[in-house]
Amino acid sequence: KQEVTQIPAALSVPEGENLVLNCSFTDSAIYNLQWFRQDPGKGLTSLLLIQSSQREQTSGRLNASLDKSSGRSTLYIAASQPGDSATYLCAVRGQAGTALIFGKGTTLSVSS
Amino acid sequence: EAQVTQNPRYLITVTGKKLTVTCSQNMNHEYMSWYRQDPGLGLRQIYYSMNVEVTDKGDVPEGYKVSRKEKRNFPLILESPSPNQTSLYFCASSTIAGTSNSPLHFGNGTRLTVT
Repeated sequence: KQEVTQIPAALSVPEGENLVLNCSFTDSAIYNLQWFRQDPGKGLTSLLLIQSSQREQTSGRLNASLDKSSGRSTLYIAASQPGDSATYLCAVRGQAGTALIFGKGTTLSVSS
Repeated sequence: EAQVTQNPRYLITVTGKKLTVTCSQNMNHEYMSWYRQDPGLGLRQIYYSMNVEVTDKGDVPEGYKVSRKEKRNFPLILESPSPNQTSLYFCASSTIAGTSNSPLHFGNGTRLTVT
Protein backbone atom coordinates (compact mmCIF):
# COMPACT_ATOMS: atom_id res chain seq x y z
CA LYS A 1 0.00 0.00 0.00
CA GLN A 2 1.33 3.42 -0.99
CA GLU A 3 2.56 5.59 1.86
CA VAL A 4 3.59 9.20 1.54
CA THR A 5 5.88 10.85 4.08
CA GLN A 6 6.78 14.49 4.47
CA ILE A 7 9.67 15.57 6.63
CA PRO A 8 9.96 17.83 8.53
CA ALA A 9 6.47 18.29 9.93
CA ALA A 10 7.21 21.96 10.59
CA LEU A 11 9.80 24.44 9.38
CA SER A 12 10.56 28.04 10.36
CA VAL A 13 12.76 30.27 8.23
CA PRO A 14 13.51 34.00 7.96
CA GLU A 15 12.23 35.92 5.00
CA GLY A 16 14.38 35.70 1.89
CA GLU A 17 15.69 32.19 2.42
CA ASN A 18 15.54 29.54 -0.26
CA LEU A 19 14.12 26.31 1.10
CA VAL A 20 13.32 22.75 0.14
CA LEU A 21 10.39 20.64 1.30
CA ASN A 22 10.68 16.89 1.00
CA CYS A 23 8.20 14.19 0.05
CA SER A 24 8.89 10.47 -0.18
CA PHE A 25 6.64 7.63 -1.34
CA THR A 26 6.99 3.88 -0.99
CA ASP A 27 5.64 2.66 -4.37
CA SER A 28 7.42 4.14 -7.39
CA ALA A 29 4.61 3.08 -9.78
CA ILE A 30 2.85 6.43 -9.71
CA TYR A 31 0.77 8.23 -12.34
CA ASN A 32 1.48 11.72 -11.10
CA LEU A 33 2.46 13.71 -8.02
CA GLN A 34 0.87 16.93 -6.91
CA TRP A 35 1.91 19.62 -4.46
CA PHE A 36 -0.75 21.61 -2.65
CA ARG A 37 -0.84 24.56 -0.31
CA GLN A 38 -3.36 24.80 2.52
CA ASP A 39 -3.98 27.93 4.56
CA PRO A 40 -5.51 27.53 8.05
CA GLY A 41 -9.20 26.66 7.86
CA LYS A 42 -9.16 26.76 4.09
CA GLY A 43 -9.24 24.34 1.21
CA LEU A 44 -6.27 23.08 -0.75
CA THR A 45 -4.81 25.00 -3.65
CA SER A 46 -2.92 23.06 -6.29
CA LEU A 47 0.60 24.41 -6.80
CA LEU A 48 2.26 22.01 -9.22
CA LEU A 49 1.48 18.66 -10.81
CA ILE A 50 4.26 16.44 -12.18
CA GLN A 51 3.41 13.57 -14.49
CA SER A 52 5.34 10.34 -13.97
CA SER A 53 7.26 10.95 -17.20
CA GLN A 54 8.43 14.39 -16.09
CA ARG A 55 11.37 15.33 -13.89
CA GLU A 56 10.28 18.79 -12.79
CA GLN A 57 7.71 21.56 -13.03
CA THR A 58 8.12 25.26 -12.33
CA SER A 59 5.72 28.02 -11.44
CA GLY A 60 7.11 31.40 -10.44
CA ARG A 61 9.29 30.96 -7.35
CA LEU A 62 8.30 27.30 -7.01
CA ASN A 63 10.06 24.34 -8.54
CA ALA A 64 9.02 20.74 -7.95
CA SER A 65 11.17 17.80 -8.90
CA LEU A 66 10.37 14.12 -9.14
CA ASP A 67 12.69 11.11 -8.89
CA LYS A 68 10.45 8.09 -9.28
CA SER A 69 13.20 5.52 -8.92
CA SER A 70 14.12 6.76 -5.48
CA GLY A 71 10.55 7.58 -4.50
CA ARG A 72 11.24 11.23 -3.82
CA SER A 73 9.96 14.66 -4.71
CA THR A 74 11.11 18.07 -3.55
CA LEU A 75 9.40 21.44 -3.60
CA TYR A 76 11.89 24.28 -3.86
CA ILE A 77 10.72 27.75 -2.79
CA ALA A 78 13.00 30.61 -3.77
CA ALA A 79 13.29 33.86 -1.82
CA SER A 80 10.64 32.93 0.73
CA GLN A 81 8.10 35.54 1.86
CA PRO A 82 5.80 35.75 4.91
CA GLY A 83 2.89 35.11 2.53
CA ASP A 84 4.35 31.66 1.83
CA SER A 85 3.48 30.61 5.39
CA ALA A 86 1.08 27.69 5.07
CA THR A 87 0.96 23.92 5.16
CA TYR A 88 2.35 22.23 2.07
CA LEU A 89 0.99 18.82 1.13
CA CYS A 90 2.34 16.29 -1.29
CA ALA A 91 0.05 13.68 -2.88
CA VAL A 92 0.61 10.82 -5.32
CA ARG A 93 -1.81 9.09 -7.66
CA GLY A 94 -1.23 5.43 -8.57
CA GLN A 95 -3.33 5.29 -11.75
CA ALA A 96 -5.47 7.77 -13.65
CA GLY A 97 -8.71 8.32 -11.81
CA THR A 98 -7.67 6.57 -8.60
CA ALA A 99 -7.29 8.14 -5.19
CA LEU A 100 -4.64 10.65 -4.35
CA ILE A 101 -2.65 9.48 -1.32
CA PHE A 102 -1.60 12.43 0.79
CA GLY A 103 1.32 13.05 3.07
CA LYS A 104 0.57 14.77 6.37
CA GLY A 105 2.19 17.98 5.25
CA THR A 106 4.93 20.38 6.24
CA THR A 107 3.84 23.54 8.03
CA LEU A 108 6.03 26.40 6.91
CA SER A 109 6.42 29.65 8.82
CA VAL A 110 8.33 32.51 7.20
CA SER A 111 9.15 35.38 9.53
CA SER A 112 9.73 38.96 8.41
CA GLU B 1 -14.99 31.07 -12.53
CA ALA B 2 -13.96 27.42 -12.29
CA GLN B 3 -14.76 26.15 -8.84
CA VAL B 4 -15.87 23.41 -6.52
CA THR B 5 -18.64 24.57 -4.20
CA GLN B 6 -19.46 22.86 -0.93
CA ASN B 7 -22.36 23.64 1.37
CA PRO B 8 -22.66 24.28 4.18
CA ARG B 9 -19.29 25.62 5.37
CA TYR B 10 -20.10 24.87 9.00
CA LEU B 11 -22.56 22.36 10.43
CA ILE B 12 -23.31 21.37 13.99
CA THR B 13 -25.68 18.46 14.48
CA VAL B 14 -26.63 15.77 16.96
CA THR B 15 -25.95 12.06 16.87
CA GLY B 16 -28.29 10.15 14.59
CA LYS B 17 -29.77 13.06 12.66
CA LYS B 18 -29.33 12.45 8.94
CA LEU B 19 -27.48 15.13 7.03
CA THR B 20 -26.24 15.86 3.52
CA VAL B 21 -23.25 17.93 2.48
CA THR B 22 -23.56 19.11 -1.09
CA CYS B 23 -20.75 19.44 -3.62
CA SER B 24 -21.00 20.92 -7.08
CA GLN B 25 -18.37 21.62 -9.75
CA ASN B 26 -18.68 23.70 -12.92
CA MET B 27 -15.69 22.31 -14.84
CA ASN B 28 -17.38 19.28 -16.43
CA HIS B 29 -15.02 16.98 -14.52
CA GLU B 30 -15.58 13.25 -14.61
CA TYR B 31 -13.79 12.51 -11.35
CA MET B 32 -15.10 13.68 -7.98
CA SER B 33 -14.05 12.68 -4.50
CA TRP B 34 -14.68 13.29 -0.81
CA TYR B 35 -11.94 13.53 1.80
CA ARG B 36 -11.91 14.07 5.52
CA GLN B 37 -9.06 15.80 7.29
CA ASP B 38 -8.24 15.09 10.93
CA PRO B 39 -5.32 16.31 13.07
CA GLY B 40 -2.45 13.84 13.00
CA LEU B 41 -4.16 11.67 10.37
CA GLY B 42 -4.01 13.98 7.38
CA LEU B 43 -6.40 13.72 4.43
CA ARG B 44 -8.15 10.42 3.90
CA GLN B 45 -10.44 9.55 1.01
CA ILE B 46 -14.02 8.57 1.83
CA TYR B 47 -15.59 7.88 -1.58
CA TYR B 48 -14.86 8.74 -5.16
CA SER B 49 -16.68 8.70 -8.47
CA MET B 50 -15.21 8.34 -11.93
CA ASN B 51 -18.39 9.36 -13.73
CA VAL B 52 -22.17 9.51 -13.48
CA GLU B 53 -23.62 6.49 -11.65
CA VAL B 54 -20.11 5.15 -10.87
CA THR B 55 -18.97 5.36 -7.25
CA ASP B 56 -16.33 3.50 -5.25
CA LYS B 57 -15.17 3.31 -1.66
CA GLY B 58 -12.04 5.08 -0.55
CA ASP B 59 -10.05 4.35 2.58
CA VAL B 60 -12.66 5.32 5.19
CA PRO B 61 -16.18 4.79 3.74
CA GLU B 62 -17.91 3.46 6.87
CA GLY B 63 -20.85 5.60 7.94
CA TYR B 64 -21.05 7.52 4.67
CA LYS B 65 -22.99 7.29 1.44
CA VAL B 66 -22.66 9.15 -1.85
CA SER B 67 -24.54 9.42 -5.10
CA ARG B 68 -23.63 10.65 -8.57
CA LYS B 69 -26.84 11.19 -10.50
CA GLU B 70 -25.50 14.19 -12.38
CA LYS B 71 -21.99 14.94 -13.52
CA ARG B 72 -21.71 18.21 -11.62
CA ASN B 73 -23.01 17.06 -8.21
CA PHE B 74 -21.61 14.62 -5.69
CA PRO B 75 -23.39 14.85 -2.33
CA LEU B 76 -22.05 13.21 0.83
CA ILE B 77 -24.71 11.66 3.04
CA LEU B 78 -24.40 10.73 6.69
CA GLU B 79 -27.44 8.59 7.49
CA SER B 80 -26.78 8.43 11.23
CA PRO B 81 -23.91 10.73 12.20
CA SER B 82 -21.75 9.88 15.19
CA PRO B 83 -19.24 12.00 17.13
CA ASN B 84 -16.29 10.24 15.46
CA GLN B 85 -17.43 11.80 12.19
CA THR B 86 -16.63 15.24 13.54
CA SER B 87 -14.08 16.44 11.01
CA LEU B 88 -13.22 18.84 8.20
CA TYR B 89 -14.57 17.53 4.90
CA PHE B 90 -13.37 18.39 1.42
CA CYS B 91 -14.85 17.71 -1.96
CA ALA B 92 -12.53 17.63 -4.98
CA SER B 93 -12.78 17.14 -8.73
CA SER B 94 -10.58 16.66 -11.77
CA THR B 95 -10.59 15.17 -15.22
CA ILE B 96 -10.07 11.42 -15.20
CA ALA B 97 -6.49 11.71 -16.37
CA GLY B 98 -5.55 14.43 -13.90
CA THR B 99 -3.24 15.98 -16.47
CA SER B 100 -0.99 18.93 -15.85
CA ASN B 101 -3.74 21.11 -17.24
CA SER B 102 -6.30 19.75 -14.81
CA PRO B 103 -5.00 19.01 -11.37
CA LEU B 104 -7.31 18.12 -8.50
CA HIS B 105 -9.47 21.09 -7.50
CA PHE B 106 -10.74 21.35 -3.94
CA GLY B 107 -13.74 23.02 -2.37
CA ASN B 108 -13.32 25.26 0.67
CA GLY B 109 -14.33 22.60 3.13
CA THR B 110 -17.19 21.81 5.48
CA ARG B 111 -16.48 21.71 9.19
CA LEU B 112 -18.84 19.21 10.76
CA THR B 113 -19.38 18.81 14.49
CA VAL B 114 -21.50 15.94 15.76
CA THR B 115 -22.50 16.14 19.44
